[in-house]
Amino acid sequence: QVQLQESGPGLVRPSETLSLTCAVSRYSISTGYNWGWIRQPPGKGLEWVGNFFRGGRTKYNPSLKSRVVISVDTSKNQLYLELNSMGAADSAIYYCARHRESGPFDFWGQGTLVTVSS
Amino acid sequence: SYVLTQPPSVSVAPGETTRLTCVEYDIGSKSVHWYQQKPGQAPLLVIHYDTKRPSGIPERFSASNAGNTATLTITEVEAGDEADYFCQMWDNAIDHPVFGGGTKLTVL
Repeated sequence: QVQLQESGPGLVRPSETLSLTCAVSRYSISTGYNWGWIRQPPGKGLEWVGNFFRGGRTKYNPSLKSRVVISVDTSKNQLYLELNSMGAADSAIYYCARHRESGPFDFWGQGTLVTVSS
Repeated sequence: SYVLTQPPSVSVAPGETTRLTCVEYDIGSKSVHWYQQKPGQAPLLVIHYDTKRPSGIPERFSASNAGNTATLTITEVEAGDEADYFCQMWDNAIDHPVFGGGTKLTVL
């Protein structure tokens, strides 16, 4: 089965840039499917952050669009998230997931908790 | 754009059947997916494309989608089914996925 593993700093200072990595194993990113980031503030619901689509297109949540960049490195089989100008409202568990075209997120990483604090 | 409405909480006794709803106008014309999230864990896909169970999901989990309501049904509820359940669809109008707010299922 596909496995995803997020990594990154657990603590980010306000106004700084968050950089997260999602390592994918047992499936090649370049083979197909889309790849996404979803976040979940503690005790709250799921919020889609953005997707990297097959073919290289990206799409972001309009509420974050100006601050977020998602990219992939097929040679490393990794997905990346950069979110700048971090604020308290960005504190959340960040998940990466494989996404079927216009469909479900069928495999998820275990998530990484990011706290924004000085 | 779509806003998927789920009841915040539902309680059910062990062995009973529970139905969790996800409401939006004309949701029946879309494909709906359901996730189970237990405390401290990532969401797990339990139903995709309205009614299909991924490999490994028990037959006790089933779903339907028609009109303005998508429904996840869990029969013979077990203590281990206690979790948050989220519905999700792809909103073609805005070209991105939408999640419901989630329902916390409590097994009494």
